[in-house]
Amino acid sequence: GENVEQHPSTLSVQEGDSAVIKCTYSDSASNYFPWYKQELGKRPQLIIDIRSNVGEKKDQRIAVTLNKTAKHFSLHITETQPEDSAVYFCAASKAGRRALTFGSGTRLQVQP
Amino acid sequence: DTGVSQNPRHKITKRGQNVTFRCDPISEHNRLYWYRQTLGQGPEFLTYFQNEAQLEKSRLLSDRFSAERPKGSFSTLEIQRTEQGDSAMYLCASSFGDVNTEAFFGQGTRLTVV
Repeated sequence: GENVEQHPSTLSVQEGDSAVIKCTYSDSASNYFPWYKQELGKRPQLIIDIRSNVGEKKDQRIAVTLNKTAKHFSLHITETQPEDSAVYFCAASKAGRRALTFGSGTRLQVQP
Repeated sequence: DTGVSQNPRHKITKRGQNVTFRCDPISEHNRLYWYRQTLGQGPEFLTYFQNEAQLEKSRLLSDRFSAERPKGSFSTLEIQRTEQGDSAMYLCASSFGDVNTEAFFGQGTRLTVV
């Protein structure tokens, strides 16, 4: 089955700096890659997603890049703010299997 | 609140007891998923419904676990003869459509088996 690896497990940055979280996946048939943000005690919420027919997607301060050949995708957050502090999960799924396989998460801490 | 709703939010039970959780998805969503999340880990897939049909079950879902979605609306997840290893957050999510689309998560039911 699909395996998604995520790193780093923790990331501390100064406010205003950029943060990058990387994930690799094992199943070359995977074609949907969402990123979820989970604040302490709250539900995971989608922040951005990308499908395999594009290499990059941007939404304000957040961007995701996908390299299908290398089977890895990354989340980029620019101009980080303290409210960006949370755990971020990458995930992957493929057509015909709707369930998401999640990475183990990255705890991002933005120091004011 | 029109989001995914889960009840109860917290459940403490003694080992060996049965527990049942409920999930009410977003009303027009035809797909419903159950995940389990332990501390410091990402959600792990348990099972998936399309309307009332249970289309996939993870090997994590032992014989003590059963899920239903009668009439394709709300869903229940039952754990029989609970074990301490069942302690986790149980998350429900729902989505709509034929292609991969956003899955909306509920706030989860935190189960503690003592």
